[in-house]
Amino acid sequence: EAGVTQSPTHLIKTRGQQATLRCSPISGHTSVYWYQQALGLGLQFLLWYDEGEERNRGNFPPRFSGRQFPNYSSELNVNALELEDSALYLCASSYQQGLSTGELFFGEGSRLTVL
Amino acid sequence: GQSLEQPSEVTAVEGAIVQINCTYQTSGFYGLSWYQQHDGGAPTFLSYNALDGLEETGRFSSFLSRSDSYGYLLLQELQMKDSASYFCAVKSNDYKLSFGAGTTVTVRA
Repeated sequence: EAGVTQSPTHLIKTRGQQATLRCSPISGHTSVYWYQQALGLGLQFLLWYDEGEERNRGNFPPRFSGRQFPNYSSELNVNALELEDSALYLCASSYQQGLSTGELFFGEGSRLTVL
Repeated sequence: GQSLEQPSEVTAVEGAIVQINCTYQTSGFYGLSWYQQHDGGAPTFLSYNALDGLEETGRFSSFLSRSDSYGYLLLQELQMKDSASYFCAVKSNDYKLSFGAGTTVTVRA
């Protein structure tokens, strides 16, 4: 069974540009979570989608947005890129609201570099 | 909101035992999870505690005290492959999983 897949693996942008990151959850998982991990830091919660709806978002500005498609895949959009947006963006999936065991399944991440 | 505290680094030798403590402050606490992340890799789930007590999974054990807002991960019989970052994460009643800053464990020969 395929795990969580993310694309692109690496992305280089310049300040002010927009970045789009994509995530395909494990088959059967309906919840998708996005986290930002800056170099050497912990995971900061960005967004949670479930059944196509945004259910929760972290303390990030509105230029961080996303959506979840009918097939449960998701994309994260970052507008007006700033240097401090450089980070590893991790996507994770779980069963519908299925954090009964606190388990998320993570992808390998997309590393965004803003120059 | 949530806040979690864990040590930033721990170093130990092969075969030793390491305990990584995690204290948290949160509203709507459901449970405490632990994840392992090797350099450049995806975080992987290790354990979850919703009730007080010790959960054992092979060489790794996790403990929770809800009254003390405290938990720990115990790594026994350390191996070189255990060198990684370990994160505690709190599950809250809004189904969000909030992570600590992580503890880097370095295992020396």
